Amino acid sequence: DAGVIQSPRHEVTEMGQEVTLRCKPISGHDYLFWYRQTMMRGLELLIYFNNNVPIDDSGMPEDRFSAKMPNASFSTLKIQPSEPRDSAVYFCASTSDSMNTEAFFGQGTRLTVV
Amino acid sequence: DQQVKQNSPSLSVQEGRISILNCDYTNSMFDYFLWYKKYPAEGPTFLISISSIKDKNEDGRFTVFLNKSAKHLSLHIVPSQPGDSAVYFCAASVGGSQGNLIFGKGTKLSVKP
Repeated sequence: DAGVIQSPRHEVTEMGQEVTLRCKPISGHDYLFWYRQTMMRGLELLIYFNNNVPIDDSGMPEDRFSAKMPNASFSTLKIQPSEPRDSAVYFCASTSDSMNTEAFFGQGTRLTVV
Repeated sequence: DQQVKQNSPSLSVQEGRISILNCDYTNSMFDYFLWYKKYPAEGPTFLISISSIKDKNEDGRFTVFLNKSAKHLSLHIVPSQPGDSAVYFCAASVGGSQGNLIFGKGTKLSVKP
């Protein structure tokens, strides 16, 4: 398996524009997570899905953020409208439905909102 | 309030010596702990884990120690190698569940030749 695949790797956008980040989890994994990494807050969990269903979105910072998982092999994180403070590295991770198993992370999307 | 704390943002160690990375937690319900390593421009990768029923887990040069009474865990790397230079994240969860995996802010380890 190629691992968790995220696209794009880098995104530069202007304030107010819509941004969509994409993730393909490892095949067969039941859980998918979206994290955001910033210098100030470290790695924060934004939302996670189990079997394509959103379970906990309490980490989503504002209504401008939304995430979907239309099928087991694809998820999106959308920011609309984007703001400079959204600049961060966004990671997607997946894991199987087993206790005490680690999550596998993608390479991340570095988002810069100017 | 941070539930998982890594109070040292950085650590510098000489090659061949021991690296000790520390992590403290506040939630006594945490029962599964993990360490991840992250290189620049890459995602975090799993390194080692420990369940709360143990106080030590070893994997090659990496050993994690858990002190539940002190709510403290540490990662020992012996001997340290330049390739170990990375950011190390401590993470914890309740019930082995990945859904509420809480990360620390990370410690940047530099191993000097």
